[in-house]
Amino acid sequence: AQSVTQLDSHVSVSEGTPVLLRCNYSSSYSPSLFWYVQHPNKGLQLLLKYTSAATLVKGINGFEAEFKKSETSFHLTKPSAHMSDAAEYFCVAPLLSGGYNKLIFGAGTRLAVHP
Amino acid sequence: NAGVTQTPKFRVLKTGQSMTLLCAQDMNHEYMYWYRQDPGMGLRLIHYSVGEGTTAKGEVPDGYNVSRLKKQNFLLGLESAAPSQTSVYFCASTDRRVEQPQHFGDGTRLSIL
Repeated sequence: AQSVTQLDSHVSVSEGTPVLLRCNYSSSYSPSLFWYVQHPNKGLQLLLKYTSAATLVKGINGFEAEFKKSETSFHLTKPSAHMSDAAEYFCVAPLLSGGYNKLIFGAGTRLAVHP
Repeated sequence: NAGVTQTPKFRVLKTGQSMTLLCAQDMNHEYMYWYRQDPGMGLRLIHYSVGEGTTAKGEVPDGYNVSRLKKQNFLLGLESAAPSQTSVYFCASTDRRVEQPQHFGDGTRLSIL
């Protein structure tokens, strides 16, 4: 069965320092994977997606993620955090199940950015 | 291009009242979904639709009904609201391809007193 594990429930960084949000997946095949961001009182916004075309995926707002099959990981990174990056981040795997595109959500990582 | 639009954005109901949440998408997507988000529970799928005129139950369907009379609209109904249905409700849509991400609305914050 497919599963997604976000290894940190909370991450705190200083503005201008790198961000690393960790995600591991469990699947018997190479999956598609997404990272979504949710700002307070907002819906989920797609940051980036991996669909097997390239292992290093660039997204919006300077974020990128690298798919590593050997480590079953899809960690999200950003070289320099900005205050506006403070939000909750979800690693998500889509799965065709029961005739519809089911989403398998990680538990989420709340990112705090300090001045 | 508005994407996915949810109305209303906020609502307070009394126990036993009924209401309908509206979701509209302008991307010609086949699939539409209703989720609820509760603290510590993540997003849970209530109902979904794979096309106009079709609906199906998700993980937590009890107490809710849905309709998809038009391809662009997906309605979520609460016939007799209960305090346990206090939550933030999100609508999403996507096309048929599993590798395509779901697009989410901004949510409806619903409180049942």
